[in-house]
Amino acid sequence: AQTVTQSQPEMSVQEAETVTLSCTYDTSESDYYLFWYKQPPSRQMILVIRQEAYKQQNATENRFSVNFQKAAKSFSLKISDSQLGDAAMYFCAQDYGQNFVFGPGTRLSVLP
Amino acid sequence: EPEVTQTPSHQVTQMGQEVILRCVPISNHLYFYWYRQILGQKVEFLVSFYNNEISEKSEIFDDQFSVERPDGSNFTLKIRSTKLEDSAMYFCASSEALRGITYEQYFGPGTRLTVT
Repeated sequence: AQTVTQSQPEMSVQEAETVTLSCTYDTSESDYYLFWYKQPPSRQMILVIRQEAYKQQNATENRFSVNFQKAAKSFSLKISDSQLGDAAMYFCAQDYGQNFVFGPGTRLSVLP
Repeated sequence: EPEVTQTPSHQVTQMGQEVILRCVPISNHLYFYWYRQILGQKVEFLVSFYNNEISEKSEIFDDQFSVERPDGSNFTLKIRSTKLEDSAMYFCASSEALRGITYEQYFGPGTRLTVT
């Protein structure tokens, strides 16, 4: 079975600083997608960033970037210049068949 | 920007009652999904739906659950006889395709189901 692990239940970062959230996964597939979703207190899941496994280049979206290490099955999210609005639960996910397998989440607090 | 909508936002029901959770996926999407999130836990896949039939389902999706696309816009999740452990946030999602540079599942805001 596919598993996605996030080893940091909670993280905190000072406003304007950089934070990295960890994610590892376990798959036997060679072609797959990885995602980071943000879930603010409103509970709606919002896509932060997407990575296709066959692309070696790390995905970036403005202040958000990933460090994708395919051999190590690692997919960490780096948030630069953290803002108060970044405070949320962050879920790492991998596609598996027609569904997504989510990790347990990391709760990020941003300190003013 | 198009979005997935869900109604109601909160549903309270008594144990043993039937509930129907409603979703309107993004109009040009072809794949539809239901997930649930028990409070404080991770998001879990329930079922995926394509071409008017279930394409995948998890162990959670037992005979008490059913899904339907009754018309061209709505996608519903029915729980026939609710149990206390069905209390959770239920998310509907949709996607245009399963692959491609824009592949993602768009999630609705969720329906909080409370079974008493």
